[in-house]
Amino acid sequence: EADIYQTPRYLVIGTGKKITLECSQTMGHDKMYWYQQDPGMELHLIHYSYGVNSTEKGDLSSESTVSRIRTEHFPLTLESARPSHTSQYLCASTPTRSYEQYFGPGTRLTVT
Amino acid sequence: AQKITQTQPGMFVQEKEAVTLDCTYDTSDQSYGLFWYKQPSSGEMIFLIYQGSYDEQNATEGRYSLNFQKARKSANLVISASQLGDSAMYFCAMREGRSSGATNKLIFGTGTLLAVQP
Repeated sequence: EADIYQTPRYLVIGTGKKITLECSQTMGHDKMYWYQQDPGMELHLIHYSYGVNSTEKGDLSSESTVSRIRTEHFPLTLESARPSHTSQYLCASTPTRSYEQYFGPGTRLTVT
Repeated sequence: AQKITQTQPGMFVQEKEAVTLDCTYDTSDQSYGLFWYKQPSSGEMIFLIYQGSYDEQNATEGRYSLNFQKARKSANLVISASQLGDSAMYFCAMREGRSSGATNKLIFGTGTLLAVQP
């Protein structure tokens, strides 16, 4: 089982601020993912990565960006937060030759 | 296009009874996988069980079993001997198959909120 960490767990921030949501995993998993989930709704993939220097946009269009400079780290950045970005953001990873996605605890973002 | 359908927005079950959560899927891929995740009110996603499309046996993990009916494209989750701690949102998800590039991306259903009553 993977150890996946997300910080912060909760964030309340004003419109226009730049924010970075952190995601780290300690198991050396090559594939990592970011999902967005509105309250009581399904998860939608917004970004994924197959490895270092590999990032792709997911099925749901997002104004956020990601980077993968190190295997264990997959941060998500919003250059200018807006109330429409209020949501929960979940990070996940998958080991090589496996299908199971292990999730972090999530970051609940509120933009006022 | 791949799609997951969960038709039960909410379910009630008495403690110690079994409950079935429905999930149907749509895909043209021959190779795919189906997952169930549990999401308590705290928000984290907890992996419960996985079924590959070529697996002949239904997957089981403790009190969880997956009733896989390939011809009907259904992958229902059965929870036996429900416990109060089972109260949560349950999501069915599908892994895209090899024809989509083996991205391993997951497509989620809308979830079923299960309430276990004492």
